[in-house]
Amino acid sequence: DTEVTQTPKHLVMGMTNKKSLKCEQHMGHRAMYWYKQKAKKPPELMFVYSYEKLSINESVPSRFSPECPNSSLLNLHLHALQPEDSALYLCASSQVGLVAKNIQYFGAGTRLSVL
Amino acid sequence: GESVGLHLPTLSVQEGDNSIINCAYSNSASDYFIWYKQESGKGPQFIIDIRSNMDKRQGQRVTVLLNKTVKHLSLQIAATQPGDSAVYFCAENRKIKAAGNKLTFGGGTRVLVKP
Repeated sequence: DTEVTQTPKHLVMGMTNKKSLKCEQHMGHRAMYWYKQKAKKPPELMFVYSYEKLSINESVPSRFSPECPNSSLLNLHLHALQPEDSALYLCASSQVGLVAKNIQYFGAGTRLSVL
Repeated sequence: GESVGLHLPTLSVQEGDNSIINCAYSNSASDYFIWYKQESGKGPQFIIDIRSNMDKRQGQRVTVLLNKTVKHLSLQIAATQPGDSAVYFCAENRKIKAAGNKLTFGGGTRVLVKP
């Protein structure tokens, strides 16, 4: 099973709203990732969690706040977003260790629209 | 700067023909590459990977070729089917100490399969 589950699939929010994106995996992976993907572009890395600790923040604005409550869950809290933040947000997970095993498996994403 | 890029943004192929998707990379120290397939409304799906100590790897109907001399890799799809219609990304996969991996994606190639 290589399934990464993301909820919700679609989200529309206003610029003053607070919302959260959720990601779950049960593959025993100890690294989890958030990506942002704009239309017709490749995914761009936002955050990496390793063993439930934030290990990489790719200079993401503070209106995006990640959280890793346990080894299976990853959240992305959204607050005061801008219309240009509208995108597909992808979650991925992988093992930590030898490069050959560290394939990232992606969820289907949350399509976010900021009005 | 470092980059992983593609030669062709769109590839139109007749059903049953073979497809070849090309990708160039600039970092000669790149060690590990992955091809992902992304269908409309879905996240990237792992297809096949290859390490720099190999020049060819085969999967089911897919073959990846790596030419380190010219820093080029390609994905060949045999007997292309309608279900192969998608955007294909090559990506360099780099291990980040004990913190998972960082994927650097190429720009993507859209494959359209004509019946």
